[in-house]
Amino acid sequence: RKEVEQDPGPFNVPEGATVAFNCTYSNSASQSFFWYRQDCRKEPKLLMSVYSSGNEDGRFTAQLNRASQYISLLIRDSKLSDSATYLCVVNMDYGQNFVFGPGTRLSVLP
Amino acid sequence: NAGVMQNPRHLVRRRGQEARLRCSPMKGHSHVYWYRQLPEEGLKFMVYLQKENIIDESGMPKERFSAEFPKEGPSILRIQQVVRGDSAAYFCASFESYNEQFFGPGTRLTVL
Repeated sequence: RKEVEQDPGPFNVPEGATVAFNCTYSNSASQSFFWYRQDCRKEPKLLMSVYSSGNEDGRFTAQLNRASQYISLLIRDSKLSDSATYLCVVNMDYGQNFVFGPGTRLSVLP
Repeated sequence: NAGVMQNPRHLVRRRGQEARLRCSPMKGHSHVYWYRQLPEEGLKFMVYLQKENIIDESGMPKERFSAEFPKEGPSILRIQQVVRGDSAAYFCASFESYNEQFFGPGTRLTVL
C-alpha cells in the first residue's frame, strides 16, 4: 500500500460546481497535513494546512479524520482558475519526512 | 523575505555533459529537499539535506547523481553524464520545523 493515496481523477466539472477530493495515508503516526496546488509547469504552492478540527478558507474546506486516516478537500462554487492538480501532503513526524500523494487533476469547464 | 530561489530556470545539455542545479532556501531555513517531476507525472522525492549533511538520499539514483548543501552557499544537485531520461523539472523546497515546505520555481532540464 502506498503511503499517501489520492483519488485518481481527472475531475471535469462545470463552473459553479462543488467538488471533493479524498486522500488516505498509511502511517497513523503522521502529524501534519497539507493541501498543495500545482499549476501546469509551475511549482507546487501551499493551498492550506489541515487541522484536526477542520478548517475553511473562503470556498475551500479541509477536513481530517485521524481514526480513518483520511483527509478531504472540498471546493465550492468552482472557478475556471481552480483548474490545477491538487496534492495531498503528509508530514510523518514534524520533521523531514514529507510524503506527497500522486495528485488529483481538476478541470473546471465553462 | 525572498522565497526559495533556483537557477538556472532552464538548462539545456547534450548527452554526456554535466548539469548543475542550484537552490537557495528561504532565509532562516536549513532544510532542503530536491524533487524530480517527469512530464505528466507526480513529484518524486530525491534527497533531503541539512547544512553540510545528507539526511536521506533514498530517492536518488545510485549513479551520476549527487547533492550537497554546504555551510555557505546554495544547495547543488549535480547530474553527471546526462542522458535523455534525465530531462525533467527539478524542484527544490525548503522547510523549517513545524511548518510546510516552500518550493522554488524549478529548473527545467532538457537533454538533447
